[in-house]
Amino acid sequence: KNEVEQSPQNLTAQEGEFITINCSYSVGISALHWLQQHPGGGIVSLFMLSSGKKKHGRLIATINIQEKHSSLHITASHPRDSAVYICAVRSYNTDKLIFGTGTRLQVFP
Amino acid sequence: DAGVIQSPRHEVTEMGQEVTLRCKPISGHNSLFWYRQTMMRGLELLIYFNNNVPIDDSGMPEDRFSAKMPNASFSTLKIQPSEPRDSAVYFCASTVFALSETQYFGPGTRLLVL
Repeated sequence: KNEVEQSPQNLTAQEGEFITINCSYSVGISALHWLQQHPGGGIVSLFMLSSGKKKHGRLIATINIQEKHSSLHITASHPRDSAVYICAVRSYNTDKLIFGTGTRLQVFP
Repeated sequence: DAGVIQSPRHEVTEMGQEVTLRCKPISGHNSLFWYRQTMMRGLELLIYFNNNVPIDDSGMPEDRFSAKMPNASFSTLKIQPSEPRDSAVYFCASTVFALSETQYFGPGTRLLVL
């Protein structure tokens, strides 16, 4: 079992839909990152969380430390949101970054 | 700021050749990370530096891989000799300090070893 699991693996949506991507982890962490990888390959760091919730534009990231779970929400989705979304955690014990395998999102007009 | 700069953007080489990938972090950033991304394994952290000093190289797959950071504005990742299984996209990222900061990624170097 992977230490960081994302669901779903693939997601399609119509423009305007509300989207949720989930990340569950099995290790103690000191931080959790959400990354966005565009179809061209570039990677952008969206959020770094250690507790609570963060919002940036139409993106919202939440984390529940007790449940070892984080969600990334996209409101009013748009085709330009089409990308792979990657969750990564920093292990509290080893200090290493552990990556999920990503969620591929496609938003159709 | 130009962001993290990587070169080359694409590299095609033959098995056994030496490959050198280069990275210039964002000015003022003290931590630099090298990642590898493949279809099979996803993103993997290879090594990271704080203040030019390698902190954790446990992700470096083999002795064929080496990384240096001679100064705050330049790092290299070298593969010698290269093998087809090294084919991947190699990303460099930098942060102001440490793993828990927001990371800024370079565009990546797509390496193909034939």
